[in-house]
Amino acid sequence: KAGVTQTPRYLIKTRGQQVTLSCSPISGHRSVSWYQQTPGQGLQFLFEYFSETQRNKGNFPGRFSGRQFSNSRSEMNVSTLELGDSALYLCASSLAKGIETQYFGPGTRLLVL
Amino acid sequence: KQEVTQIPAALSVPEGENLVLNCSFTDSAIYNLQWFRQDPGKGLTSLLLIQSSQREQTSGRLNASLDKSSGRSTLYIAASQPGDSATYLCAVPDFTGTASKLTFGTGTRLQVTL
Repeated sequence: KAGVTQTPRYLIKTRGQQVTLSCSPISGHRSVSWYQQTPGQGLQFLFEYFSETQRNKGNFPGRFSGRQFSNSRSEMNVSTLELGDSALYLCASSLAKGIETQYFGPGTRLLVL
Repeated sequence: KQEVTQIPAALSVPEGENLVLNCSFTDSAIYNLQWFRQDPGKGLTSLLLIQSSQREQTSGRLNASLDKSSGRSTLYIAASQPGDSATYLCAVPDFTGTASKLTFGTGTRLQVTL
C-alpha cells in the first residue's frame, strides 16, 4: 500500500507570495492532519480534516488555511508569506478518529526569502 | 494543556550498546502514545503505538513501555546500530471526541558511533 505523499517536496518563495501544498493520504484513510516543523518551535499542529470538514485547528493566523476533497486528498494554503513561515510542512493520515497510528509523509520544505 | 518532554535532548552511544529514551507527559488521561523516528530533513516514521491499556509494545529491537499513572514512557533500543542514528519523538493525541491532534515531545537526537 502506498504511503502518504506530499507535493512539492521543495519550494522557494518570496515574502508576500502565496503557496499551496498538497497531501495524498494512504488509501482508505479519511483523517488528514498538517503540522509545521521549525528548529525553534518543534512540531506544531496546524489543522485536521475528516470527510471534507475541518475538525480541529491550531493556533496559527488566518493566513494558513486548508481543505480536503472527497477523495481525502488535502491541500493547505499560506497567503502573504512571511520569513517565519520557512519550515518543513508535514502531513499525516490516519483511518478515522485521528487517535489511531498516524502515518506521516516526507514533508514539503518551504523557504521564504 | 498537555505538555510532553523528552530527556535527554541528545545522546551519543557506541555501537552495540542498549539504550533508553524517556518521554514524560503532564496529563495522564491519554488514549495512546506513539513513538516516531525522524531522519534529518525527512518526514516521521512511526515506530510503535502503545495503547493506554497496554504496558509494553515490542517491534524487533525496540520496546516501548507506558506508565500512565506516572506520566512516563520509555523507548528501549537493544544492540544499537549506526543506522539507528536519528531523532526520536514521542507524541500523544489530544482527542475531544470529535477532534484530534498530536502533541509532540521535544525529541532526542541519537547518534550511534562505530
